[in-house]
Amino acid sequence: QVQLEQSGAEVKKPGSSVKVSCKASGGTFSNYAIGWVRQAPGQGLEWMGGIIPIFGTTHYAQKFQGRVTITTDESTSTAYMDLSSLRSEDTAVYYCARGLYLVGATPFDYWGQGTLVTVSS
Amino acid sequence: AIQLTQSPSSLSASVGDRVTITCRASQGISSALAWYQQKPGKAPKLLIYDASTLESGVPSRFSGSGSGTDFTLTISSLQPEDFATYYCQQFNSYPLITFGQGTRLEIK
Repeated sequence: QVQLEQSGAEVKKPGSSVKVSCKASGGTFSNYAIGWVRQAPGQGLEWMGGIIPIFGTTHYAQKFQGRVTITTDESTSTAYMDLSSLRSEDTAVYYCARGLYLVGATPFDYWGQGTLVTVSS
Repeated sequence: AIQLTQSPSSLSASVGDRVTITCRASQGISSALAWYQQKPGKAPKLLIYDASTLESGVPSRFSGSGSGTDFTLTISSLQPEDFATYYCQQFNSYPLITFGQGTRLEIK
């Protein structure tokens, strides 16, 4: 059974950075794309970017270019999403998700439980 | 950038009703469309991908159709557990992935 276990909730100051982890189990980590999707309170889903571990390629939404970095540690089957220069509008639940296809643009068949990041002074 | 517009934004229906939600893309995306169900406080759940392929384990009352710019998600006979928010997602081209704004399905 595939599971994606995310790190716990974070409270951050404006201007700081946050790093959210996503540990996969139950599948071959390198053989799937991992995407990151966020959801602000009461709002819809917003794709931030993704990574394909086996190819080492990353794709980012234009909105987050320069502010987000997605990486993986294949030795621990863990993906990371690092978001810098945080502002209040970044307050959201951040999800990792496993891609159905081994390409940057893919639907997602398994999701983590979500990590709430609150940005507040 | 490809935009997805869902309609309606919200919908009230009764158990047993047949419900259709539409998703329109701002340009053609072939069949690169997925549908998700999300319940409060939970992660989205994949229902349909490639416009019409039912994800394993999803009840057959859910179906998807369409290609190009116009897509539909149909629930043939609403069950109590189907009341949730539904999102479409395109995965055809730059900026690679976008989601519709969501359709909230409520009990009448």
